[in-house]
Formats: sequence, structure tokens, C-alpha cells
Amino acid sequence: EDQVTQSPEALRLQEGESSSLNCSYTVSGLRGLFWYRQDPGKGPEFLFTLYSAGEEKEKERLKATLTKKESFLHITAPKPEDSATYLCAVQVRRDSNYKLTFGKGTLLTVNP
Amino acid sequence: DTGVSQDPRHKITKRGQNVTFRCDPISEHNRLYWYRQTLGQGPEFLTYFQNEAQLEKSRLLSDRFSAERPKGSFSTLEIQRTEQGDSAMYLCASSQTGIGGYTFGSGTRLTVV
Repeated sequence: EDQVTQSPEALRLQEGESSSLNCSYTVSGLRGLFWYRQDPGKGPEFLFTLYSAGEEKEKERLKATLTKKESFLHITAPKPEDSATYLCAVQVRRDSNYKLTFGKGTLLTVNP
Repeated sequence: DTGVSQDPRHKITKRGQNVTFRCDPISEHNRLYWYRQTLGQGPEFLTYFQNEAQLEKSRLLSDRFSAERPKGSFSTLEIQRTEQGDSAMYLCASSQTGIGGYTFGSGTRLTVV
């Protein structure tokens, strides 16, 4: 069974304090790994897709990296508006429906 | 299109009542998904449409749940004889190819009392 585990469950940072969120996965045949941001009461908002080990993507203060077993979302000099739940999800090659299997998310709080 | 629209945003219903949710995907997207999310959990796959055909249903989707996508446009998700365990956020998403992830709507929050 495909598994996605995110850590930590919650992270509290001071504004400007850089850190990383982890997503470890156990799947048979990874097609892609996805990062989403979710604000309270809203649907997930797409951030990045990573397809192969060694790949990196960047957007503003966020940088996502991928290895064969895990992905990291690095947050550099975060601001309070970066506070949200960050979700990691995987797609596997055997699924022709392209469904996503999500982790439980990391709740990030950035204090001013 | 400005994105995936879901209606209503919130629904409170009494146990045993039937409810129906609507999703309007991005117009050029032929793939449509329904997910369910409970507090503190990530979204869980419920069902998938390609155009008007429902191609997969999760084992989470009991016989009380039914989904349709007439003419491959909007979709509805109906829950019959609601139970308290059905309380959750129901999310709809659409994509053109499946590759590269998809766009989610803001969800419908269902509370069964």
C-alpha cells in the first residue's frame, strides 16, 4: 500500500527563521510528487510537482527537492503570510486515473 | 474560467437526510475528481470521472454515495441517509491530463447533526 508520511505535524517559526518540512514516501513506481498549500476552510493550492530524484523547484521563499525516498520543502526567511498547512501527495505509475495519495500535512505557523 | 467552483460552501443537515453537492470544473478539463478531507487529515480519493464516464470509485464510497457527471461538464455528489461520520470537507478537483497535479475547488463543508 502506498504511504506518505509528513513531519513534523506542526511547526512554529519566527519570521525570518528558515526551516524544512519533510515528506517521506513508500510507493511502487512514483510518477510524481506534489506539494500543495492549504489555508483554513479552503481547498489545496498547487505549489510544485517533482518527477525524478535530484529535481528541485523554487517559488519565492519555497524550494522543493526530491530524493528516492523523500522530499523536502525548504522555507527561507518565512513571513507570517506563509502560515498554512502544507500537504505532500504522490501519484503512482500503475494508477491510470492519476489519483493523488496525500499525507496528513504539516501545519506551519510563522509568528511576526 | 476562474477555477473550480463548488456549491454550497457549507451545509448543515440532520442525520438521515439526503444532501447533494455540485462541482463546476475548469471548462477545458476532462478529468474530475472528488476527495474527502476530515480534520487533521489529508484529502482522500473518492471517485474519478473522465468526461462523463465514472472510471473509479474508492472503497470509501459506500452505497449511500453516488456521483454523476452528465455530459462531461459539472458533477454532483449525493449522499443519502447521512450519518455523523459523513461530516467532512468534500473537495472537487479537475485537470486536463492528470499529469502535473490538478486544481482544487474551495470545497463543501458538510456537518451532520
